[in-house]
Amino acid sequence: EAQVTQNPRYLITVTGKKLTVTCSQNMNHEYMSWYRQDPGLGLRQIYYSMNVEVTDKGDVPEGYKVSRKEKRNFPLILESPSPNQTSLYFCASSSEGLAGPSPWGEQFFGPGTRLTVL
Amino acid sequence: KNEVEQSPQNLTAQEGEFITINCSYSVGISALHWLQQHPGGGIVSLFMLSSGKKKHGRLIATINIQEKHSSLHITASHPRDSAVYICAVHNTDKLIFGTGTRLQVFP
Repeated sequence: EAQVTQNPRYLITVTGKKLTVTCSQNMNHEYMSWYRQDPGLGLRQIYYSMNVEVTDKGDVPEGYKVSRKEKRNFPLILESPSPNQTSLYFCASSSEGLAGPSPWGEQFFGPGTRLTVL
Repeated sequence: KNEVEQSPQNLTAQEGEFITINCSYSVGISALHWLQQHPGGGIVSLFMLSSGKKKHGRLIATINIQEKHSSLHITASHPRDSAVYICAVHNTDKLIFGTGTRLQVFP
């Protein structure tokens, strides 16, 4: 089954304790992204990746790191989490837009990770 | 003012009703997406379009590029259509998302 998986699904942690949220896709997609979703603000992009070892900042990258060492995996790292990073996080992959390969084409989302930082 | 505005924010309907959700945007776009977020949180892509109309089952998406407006229609609505519907536009090198329309369909 074609899918994007994320782990963990739920996480409660404390300020300053480093954490990693894993993301993996089995569709051989070139492009992967991380979003956060907050009430009243909608989805906002944190980072995206155009290919292995190629990553770029989205709208809200502060406090986050990513890496893309393999095509299928795109982990999100919070090295020193703070309460303002409490949010619902989604990983997504994509391959095709309307005019060919594009990171902004049809998005395939993971199930989400609900993070609470105390 | 947000670059992508959706209306209404909340919508309730009786089963069988025809539903319309609107999306207006203020930036140049290459494509517009409609997404569905289920009560459990999962997000599914419904449509991606840049002109005209697309149909999938009971769902129809239209876009008017000149007016910078798109609509999502649901015909013969059903309680399983209850979800948050999100509009997003592809602007240069990013997707800009609306805040969603929460739809509840009652039997």
